[in-house]
Amino acid sequence: AQSVTQLGSHVSVSEGALVLLRCNYSSSVPPYLFWYVQYPNQGLQLLLKYTSAATLVKGINGFEAEFKKSETSFHLTKPSAHMSDAAEYFCAVSDPGSEKLVFGKGTKLTVNP
Amino acid sequence: GAVVSQHPSWVICKSGTSVKIECRSLDFQATTMFWYRQFPKQSLMLMATSNEGSKATYEQGVEKDKFLINHASLTLSTLTVTSAHPEDSSFYICSALNTEAFFGQGTRLTVV
Repeated sequence: AQSVTQLGSHVSVSEGALVLLRCNYSSSVPPYLFWYVQYPNQGLQLLLKYTSAATLVKGINGFEAEFKKSETSFHLTKPSAHMSDAAEYFCAVSDPGSEKLVFGKGTKLTVNP
Repeated sequence: GAVVSQHPSWVICKSGTSVKIECRSLDFQATTMFWYRQFPKQSLMLMATSNEGSKATYEQGVEKDKFLINHASLTLSTLTVTSAHPEDSSFYICSALNTEAFFGQGTRLTVV
């Protein structure tokens, strides 16, 4: 069975600082991995996804994530936080070819001025 | 990007009544839609996969008679919570599959 663990339910950074949101996964097959962002009262929006091509994936809004098989990790980073990045972020995993997503519990990012 | 609309955004209902939530893909056709439930401070849990023209596939532990899913057209899936009880209060989110999964904005259900 697949699972996703997001370390830290809350992360707080200063504007302009590095953003690092951690995600570790468990999967019996090479997975597809996703990061979604959810703004208040809105649906989830796909930030980026890994589908077995390049291990460093660049997404929207300046975010990127690196797939590290040896560490079973897919951490999300952004060099410089912006106030508009404040939101909840979800990591998700799926089997290749399956459309079912298994989500982590989410990490709420706060950006301080 | 593709747009998925859920309606209503929030609903309050009395215990014992039924509530219908709609999920529409506005600018694409979706043969497959998904329904998720999100508890406070928890992750989204897949409830069922909705397939146009056929019966929904429910995840283990989800009561199909309580959570009725209908996917009668390529742009609309509905989730009906029957005989709702306070423990059904939650945030329900749908997604529609195109080149990727596009999510609705969610529906906050409160059963009093």
